[in-house]
Amino acid sequence: DTGVSQNPRHKITKRGQNVTFRCDPISEHNRLYWYRQTLGQGPEFLTYFQNEAQLEKSRLLSDRFSAERPKGSFSTLEIQRTEQGDSAMYLCASSPERGAYNEQFFGPGTRLTVL
Amino acid sequence: RKEVEQDPGPFNVPEGATVAFNCTYSNSASQSFFWYRQDCRKEPKLLMSVYSSGNEDGRFTAQLNRASQYISLLIRDSKLSDSATYLCVVNAGSTLGRLYFGRGTQLTVWP
Repeated sequence: DTGVSQNPRHKITKRGQNVTFRCDPISEHNRLYWYRQTLGQGPEFLTYFQNEAQLEKSRLLSDRFSAERPKGSFSTLEIQRTEQGDSAMYLCASSPERGAYNEQFFGPGTRLTVL
Repeated sequence: RKEVEQDPGPFNVPEGATVAFNCTYSNSASQSFFWYRQDCRKEPKLLMSVYSSGNEDGRFTAQLNRASQYISLLIRDSKLSDSATYLCVVNAGSTLGRLYFGRGTQLTVWP
């Protein structure tokens, strides 16, 4: 499968715990994005990488959230001291640098439940 | 004001019907426009990009009106498999990475 992959697919954690999600983009794509989606809403942008550089962060990305893409390939999103409001689907997407229309292709997501 | 506004529906139509979805966007600097399809508890999947001159892909036709900042999607001859949520999406203009999503319009096609 050459699509975007995400792990784990589901995560249940207790409030106050730290969690980390991983995203592997489509291999030739150098742009990688993280979004968050809650029930009944469209995805909301969190952050964006071009290669290993984090070029943009949303104000939604509080100081409890950190994302990395150390070698310009896979990325991790960590949430520290989780809160119940962090419960959501976390989606990763990738796109090629030379895509004229910035078409983004999504992975299956990691569904986080904070108890 | 949200960046992308969509009628959430739901739209319930019989097989074979024609259905149209609309959305408006607020950022006049937006340059890229899309419709994504999302099935229940699945990831969004790109349905089609929307070009200035309008474009068609089989039973799907997308239109863009930059002056009114309005995007539409027309589905002809609806199939049961078209049942999904349709997301209107625009980019943030000069900010290359960010996409703004509407909340989606839910479509159910019944036999």
